[in-house]
Formats: sequence, structure tokens, C-alpha cells
Amino acid sequence: EDQVTQSPEALRLQEGESSSLNCSYTVSGLRGLFWYRQDPGKGPEFLFTLYSAGEEKEKERLKATLTKKESFLHITAPKPEDSATYLCAVQLKAAGNKLTFGGGTRVLVKP
Amino acid sequence: GAGVSQSPSNKVTEKGKDVELRCDPISGHTALYWYRQSLGQGLEFLIYFQGNSAPDKSGLPSDRFSAERTGGSVSTLTIQRTQQEDSAVYLCASSFRRPDYNEQFFGPGTRLTVL
Repeated sequence: EDQVTQSPEALRLQEGESSSLNCSYTVSGLRGLFWYRQDPGKGPEFLFTLYSAGEEKEKERLKATLTKKESFLHITAPKPEDSATYLCAVQLKAAGNKLTFGGGTRVLVKP
Repeated sequence: GAGVSQSPSNKVTEKGKDVELRCDPISGHTALYWYRQSLGQGLEFLIYFQGNSAPDKSGLPSDRFSAERTGGSVSTLTIQRTQQEDSAVYLCASSFRRPDYNEQFFGPGTRLTVL
């Protein structure tokens, strides 16, 4: 069975304290892995797509990496505005374009 | 440019009533998706439309749920005889249908509460 697991469920950081979020997946035929950010009361906001092991993408204080079994979202020197829930999702070659999401990691950055 | 829009933003209904939720995708996007987000289940796929192809309905939880997409643009998700377990945020997303650029962009969602 295809599974996507995110850890930790919640993360409390001090401003400037770098950390990493994990997304591990057990799927057949990965087409792509997606990271989204979701603020309370809003829809998920697209961050990154990763297609192959070894690929890395960066945006401001965020960097996403991909291996054959997991992806990491690194947050460097976070600011309070980085507080949100971060979702990862996989898209499978045999499953059309639908996304299968992990449970998310709630990040709180305190000033 | 305009993003995905959904209406209403909030809907409160009584158990047993039918509800319709609307989604306007990003102009030019050929694919449209419905997802449901609830506290216990996270974000779950419901249904996917791609151009004129038959929709992928594999995520619909029961035959009380249906969706249509008219003219390749606007979509309506209908829930008949609503139950309390249908309470959730219903999210719509749209995307291009290209292998190298198929990121899904989400709307703000419709929060459905069934009393």
C-alpha cells in the first residue's frame, strides 16, 4: 500500500534555529514529490516539486531535497512568518495526476 | 492573475440536506481536482477531471458524492443527504497537464458543517 509519512507532527523553533522536516514514502512508481505550505483557514500554497533522487530546490529560507525513500524540507534561520503547516504529497505514475498527502508538520517559530 | 476560487467559503447545513460547492479553476488549466481535508483524515483525494476524458472518481467516499465539470471550466461538487461525517473543508485545485509542469494550485476551500 502506498504510504506517505511526515515527521515530526509538530515542531517549535526559536527564531533563527534551523531545522529539518521529513517526508518518507513507500510507493510504487514515483512521478514527483510536492511540498506545500498551508496557513490556518487557507488552501495549500505550492512550494516545490522534486522529480528524481538527488534533486534539490531552494526558495528563500527553504530547501527541499529528495532521495529514493524520503524528502527533507530544511528551514534555515526561520522567522515567525515561516510558521505554518508544511505538507508533502506524492504523485504516482500509475495514478493519474492525483496527489497522496502526508499528515503534515505544524511548525511554530517563536520570536 | 486570478487563482482558483471557491464558493461559498462557508456552508452550514442540516443533516439530510443536499449541498453544492463550486470551483472556478485558473484560466487555461485543463485539469481540476477535488480534495477533502478533515481533522482525522488529513487531505484526501476525491475526484479528478482532465479535459474531455472520463473523470477519475476513485476517491469519492460514497454514491452520495458526485461532481461535474461544465465546458471544461467550472466544477460543482454535490453531496446528497449530508451526514455529520461529511463536515470538512473541501478544496479544489487545478493544473496544467504536462509531465514537466503539473503542479496543482489550490483554492481557499469551502468549510462545510453538517449539524
